[in-house]
Amino acid sequence: GDSVTQKQGQVTLSEDDFLFINCTYSTTTYPTLFWYVQYPGQGPQLLLKVTTANNKGISRGFEATYDKGTTSFHLQKASVQESDSAVYFCALVEGGNYKPTFGKGTSLVVHP
Amino acid sequence: ETAVFQTPNYHVTQVGNEVSFNCKQTLGHDTMYWYKQDSKKLLKIMFSYNNKQLIVNETVPRRFSPQSSDKAHLNLRIKSVEPEDSAVYLCASRRLGEGDTQYFGPGTRLLVL
Repeated sequence: GDSVTQKQGQVTLSEDDFLFINCTYSTTTYPTLFWYVQYPGQGPQLLLKVTTANNKGISRGFEATYDKGTTSFHLQKASVQESDSAVYFCALVEGGNYKPTFGKGTSLVVHP
Repeated sequence: ETAVFQTPNYHVTQVGNEVSFNCKQTLGHDTMYWYKQDSKKLLKIMFSYNNKQLIVNETVPRRFSPQSSDKAHLNLRIKSVEPEDSAVYLCASRRLGEGDTQYFGPGTRLLVL
């Protein structure tokens, strides 16, 4: 079955640091890949997504590249802010599949 | 802008009681979900409905039962709560095939004493 792996449970940074959150996936097809962000007290919301038609997703300074060779979809941001503190989920959906697959989430803490 | 609404926000109850959570989406989507999120933020899918039909039913205890009156509403009933049911229950919706993005509600936090 499909799987998504986020190895980092928590990442702690200072403002203006570079962010890198690891995500790898396993599937038999070419799915749509997502990053969702969950702020405290809220449900997850879409941060960015990438389909097989395009390689990179960019949103609010975050970017992720769909690498079919290494089956990775790492999230990066050049300079984080304290307001980026949240939980980040990597996810995939295969076309027509009702059941999305989520990673375990990575908690980002950014100190001022 | 909230488009997936959940009630209540928070519920405290005793072991053995019955609880019901409500979810409504105004996005015109055809598929809705219930997820359980534990204290470590792990998201576990519980159920999914497409046009009022149950299509995903993960291995959850029988005391959990979803109910859908139409494609905009999906409720969750827990017949006799246990301490391990304490969690945040998230409702989500999606239009199948249209970008496949899920839209989540704010969640219902359940505490079982």
